[in-house]
Amino acid sequence: ELKVEQNPLFLSMQEGKNYTIYCNYSTTSDRLYWYRQDPGKSLESLFVLLSNGAVKQEGRLMASLDTKARLSTLHITAAVHDLSATYFCAVVGSQGAQKLVFGQGTRLTINP
Amino acid sequence: GAVVSQHPSWVICKSGTSVKIECRSLDFQATTMFWYRQFPKQSLMLMATSNEGSKATYEQGVEKDKFLINHASLTLSTLTVTSAHPEDSSFYICSAKRGTNVLTFGAGSRLTVL
Repeated sequence: ELKVEQNPLFLSMQEGKNYTIYCNYSTTSDRLYWYRQDPGKSLESLFVLLSNGAVKQEGRLMASLDTKARLSTLHITAAVHDLSATYFCAVVGSQGAQKLVFGQGTRLTINP
Repeated sequence: GAVVSQHPSWVICKSGTSVKIECRSLDFQATTMFWYRQFPKQSLMLMATSNEGSKATYEQGVEKDKFLINHASLTLSTLTVTSAHPEDSSFYICSAKRGTNVLTFGAGSRLTVL
């Protein structure tokens, strides 16, 4: 059974600092997604990572994927308050599976 | 970009009544849609996979007779919570699959059962 674990689950940081959220998954996967969720809202797609070594960047966020280690990271550079949200990674199993399994989420609070 | 519309965005109902939530893909056809449930401060849990023209596939522990899913067209899937009880209060989110790698999420429907 595919399991997805994120850490940390809670992260409070100051503006201007860098930090990384980790996402580990238990079985081989075709795809890994990162989403952002603001309180009371649905999910906003950030990245989809499809292959080993994939790296994608958008603004202050950068995501990478190591399929051999079954690990993805979401790196935040020079954090700003607007990035405060809950971040989820989600993984689709291999062999044509459609089911998306989510991590627990990382609640990120960025303080001025 | 692809848009998935979910309606209603919030609903309050009395215990014992049924509530229908609609999920529409507005500018693309979706043969597969997914329904998730999210309790406060928790992650999203997949409830079922909805396939156009066939029966939905439910995840283990999800009562198919309580959570009725209908995917009658390529742009519409509905989730009906039958005989709702307070423990069914949750945030229900649908997503629609477009192509191989793209999943678009609806805005979510917050259900409160009194």
